[in-house]
Amino acid sequence: DTAVSQTPKYLVTQMGNDKSIKCEQNLGHDTMYWYKQDSKKFLKIMFSYNNKELIINETVPNRFSPKSPDKAHLNLHINSLELGDSAVYFCASSQGAWTGGGGYTFGSGTRLTVV
Amino acid sequence: KQEVTQIPAALSVPEGENLVLNCSFTDSAIYNLQWFRQDPGKGLTSLLLIQSSQREQTSGRLNASLDKSSGRSTLYIAASQPGDSATYLCAVNRDDKIIFGKGTRLHILP
Repeated sequence: DTAVSQTPKYLVTQMGNDKSIKCEQNLGHDTMYWYKQDSKKFLKIMFSYNNKELIINETVPNRFSPKSPDKAHLNLHINSLELGDSAVYFCASSQGAWTGGGGYTFGSGTRLTVV
Repeated sequence: KQEVTQIPAALSVPEGENLVLNCSFTDSAIYNLQWFRQDPGKGLTSLLLIQSSQREQTSGRLNASLDKSSGRSTLYIAASQPGDSATYLCAVNRDDKIIFGKGTRLHILP
């Protein structure tokens, strides 16, 4: 199936731990994104990569570090997790960095709970 | 700064009714506008994408319109069904990122 796939779907971890969320797309898109959905269900962009290069880095703590080994993958590593990091994280992809091309395709989300 | 507003925040209608969801945005210089559906605890499903040069898009019982000059879009759902119950998100695209509204929670009453 052509899609954006994220793993894991659920992640429960203790404060202070380091964790990673993986994202892969097989749509042939050249741009990938991470979005955070907060407790009020508001979606906000965190990062975007175009052909492995970082093009957007919103005001996100530097404990969050995206890594793109190739244009089909964009992983999110989070150091020293805090309670406020609990949220749902969505990966997305699009063809075309500046126009969104044919629109965005989202993964199913990773629900992170920090305890 | 682009802001996207969706009205109403929540809506309950009896099954079979036609309904309209509204989206407004403050900066008309957008590349396109996309409507998504999000089911509880699930990801986002793209419903319709309207390019800035287009006025509307249709898919089945869904019709989305775009009036870029006035900063408005509507999502029309015909003959609503209980399976349409979800949160509907409007998102505008410009400068390589999309800005989301806060969504409209739709509940179709059987």
